[in-house]
Amino acid sequence: GAVVSQHPSWVICKSGTSVKIECRSLDFQATTMFWYRQFPKQSLMLMATSNEGSKATYEQGVEKDKFLINHASLTLSTLTVTSAHPEDSSFYICSATPYSVNEQYFGPGTRLTVT
Amino acid sequence: AQSVTQLGSHVSVSEGALVLLRCNYSSSVPPYLFWYVQYPNQGLQLLLKYTSAATLVKGINGFEAEFKKSETSFHLTKPSAHMSDAAEYFCAVSDRITGGGNKLTFGTGTQLKVEL
Repeated sequence: GAVVSQHPSWVICKSGTSVKIECRSLDFQATTMFWYRQFPKQSLMLMATSNEGSKATYEQGVEKDKFLINHASLTLSTLTVTSAHPEDSSFYICSATPYSVNEQYFGPGTRLTVT
Repeated sequence: AQSVTQLGSHVSVSEGALVLLRCNYSSSVPPYLFWYVQYPNQGLQLLLKYTSAATLVKGINGFEAEFKKSETSFHLTKPSAHMSDAAEYFCAVSDRITGGGNKLTFGTGTQLKVEL
């Protein structure tokens, strides 16, 4: 149980285009989902927290207009990187947690390369 | 504010030797503490978590960690390292807030290398 999937697992896009990453909880309802960014050889940096049906809460320094997060249902959250640039290339990981459970279940990550 | 410090960004052990990965935390409230493992190009897998029950927590793959409030530590150990243990390990802390959805604060990670 508690499986989280991400799609795609890797994506290459051209500078200036937008790319959408999906995060799904497969066998539970996720009241809260988190989006992280991880640079090579570094730790996870929380980008934003999203609760189903409400606007995401972004961490300080994260551009909300660039990283659009939608949590439209209890099993799906999406991260859209708009007008991507090479510096947006990174490993993006989502996690999900059901209500009243103090544990996050992580997706396998999405490798984004912007050329 | 919460934080975790992982001492040693790289740890190297021989196969069969004791694994000790250090984690110290700072929290203004009683914390939840976690250890995660990450293999290359993969997400995080939970090894174990401390949620105020027993101070010695046993996890998967033979790992365990002991919560020591007096030392604000939550070190991860395994009696005998296996080649498959080579990976990146992250310690994390979150506040005890009911209702779920707690933020995790991660340490900088420790790369474990296991040598023959």
